[in-house]
Amino acid sequence: DTGVSQDPRHKITKRGQNVTFRCDPISEHNRLYWYRQTLGQGPEFLTYFQNEAQLEKSRLLSDRFSAERPKGSFSTLEIQRTEQGDSAMYLCASSLTPGQIGDEQYFGPGTRLTVT
Amino acid sequence: AQSVTQPDIHITVSEGASLELRCNYSYGATPYLFWYVQSPGQGLQLLLKYFSGDTLVQGIKGFEAEFKRSQSSFNLRKPSVHWSDAAEYFCAVGAPDDMRFGAGTRLTVKP
Repeated sequence: DTGVSQDPRHKITKRGQNVTFRCDPISEHNRLYWYRQTLGQGPEFLTYFQNEAQLEKSRLLSDRFSAERPKGSFSTLEIQRTEQGDSAMYLCASSLTPGQIGDEQYFGPGTRLTVT
Repeated sequence: AQSVTQPDIHITVSEGASLELRCNYSYGATPYLFWYVQSPGQGLQLLLKYFSGDTLVQGIKGFEAEFKRSQSSFNLRKPSVHWSDAAEYFCAVGAPDDMRFGAGTRLTVKP
């Protein structure tokens, strides 16, 4: 078990470009969560998956944000037409289905996005 | 709506001294409560969690937290702080699919 990994760790992009981040959860975890963390704030929940099904997406920040988990393993978060306000740390977490022993969320190191 | 307040943005303690980080929450039902720690370049790590039962919860790294329903608080404590405890600490409330985090408390440890 190597933990949750995220790629890339840092991304610098120009305003208006599209970016995609990848998250690889712990292998036996069927839940996967995406959060955004801005400077001086705690993580803000964006969306989550149970296996390949996206069960909550109303809290994605705008229709420029989308996430997928096509085979129930890794997930991608895409931001289209980036804006400077999108600059933040994007965190991924995974867990077992809630209710199971050891169902806490394990977080990855994050992808830091800078939009210039 | 559920929310979390961490009143202290930054706390400095001397190594070996005791520590208490404050957390107040607003939640409509019996809350699920968590404390996480975040070190630079690291992901958030769960220190402890409260779902029900004993209101004094023991966690990893010598941390404990006490749930006080009457005060809507879930303060984190450690009797003797180590230099390696310097980090950002986040309190969170809510179910796994709807967790709300506080803004965090940055802990500095003086030698």
